[in-house]
Amino acid sequence: AQSVAQPEDQVNVAEGNPLTVKCTYSVSGNPYLFWYVQYPNRGLQFLLKYITGDNLVKGSYGFEAEFNKSQTSFHLKKPSALVSDSALYFCAVRDGNYGGSQGNLIFGKGTKLSVKP
Amino acid sequence: GAGVSQSPSNKVTEKGKDVELRCDPISGHTALYWYRQSLGQGLEFLIYFQGNSAPDKSGLPSDRFSAERTGGSVSTLTIQRTQQEDSAVYLCASSLLSEQYFGPGTRLTVT
Repeated sequence: AQSVAQPEDQVNVAEGNPLTVKCTYSVSGNPYLFWYVQYPNRGLQFLLKYITGDNLVKGSYGFEAEFNKSQTSFHLKKPSALVSDSALYFCAVRDGNYGGSQGNLIFGKGTKLSVKP
Repeated sequence: GAGVSQSPSNKVTEKGKDVELRCDPISGHTALYWYRQSLGQGLEFLIYFQGNSAPDKSGLPSDRFSAERTGGSVSTLTIQRTQQEDSAVYLCASSLLSEQYFGPGTRLTVT
């Protein structure tokens, strides 16, 4: 069975400091990994994805994530946090061995990021 | 370009009534998904349409839930005999490649 864990319900960071939002996953085949952000009363916005290739992927708004196969992790990072980054962040996975590039995603519970000035 | 749109944005209904939620995907996207977001349950997959293939209904929580996609574009999610536990935000997404693009959601409240 596929699953995603986001161990932190909330992450607090001071503006200008680096941030990390943690994600670990479990799939039997090749993981397709995604990060989404949700601002209040809005739908989810795609940030970045890992399918294959370089383990460090760069996405929107200066975010990046590193795929670590041995640790089954895909942590989201940003070198310098902004107050406007405050939102709910979701990690998601699907098993790339089934159904090609498209198919439903399994989401983590979400991590609330709070960036204070 | 236009993103995924959903209507209505909010729906309040009485327990036992039927509701229909609409999703207009991004033009040209071949896949369409419905998810449900509720407190304590996070984001749950409901149903997935891909082209002309039979939909993947494996996430539908009960036979009160159904969905159709007409002409490979617009989709309607129908909930019959609504219950209070159906209260949630229903999100629609579409995709052409691996990443999915989400609509703003429909907030359903069952009283």
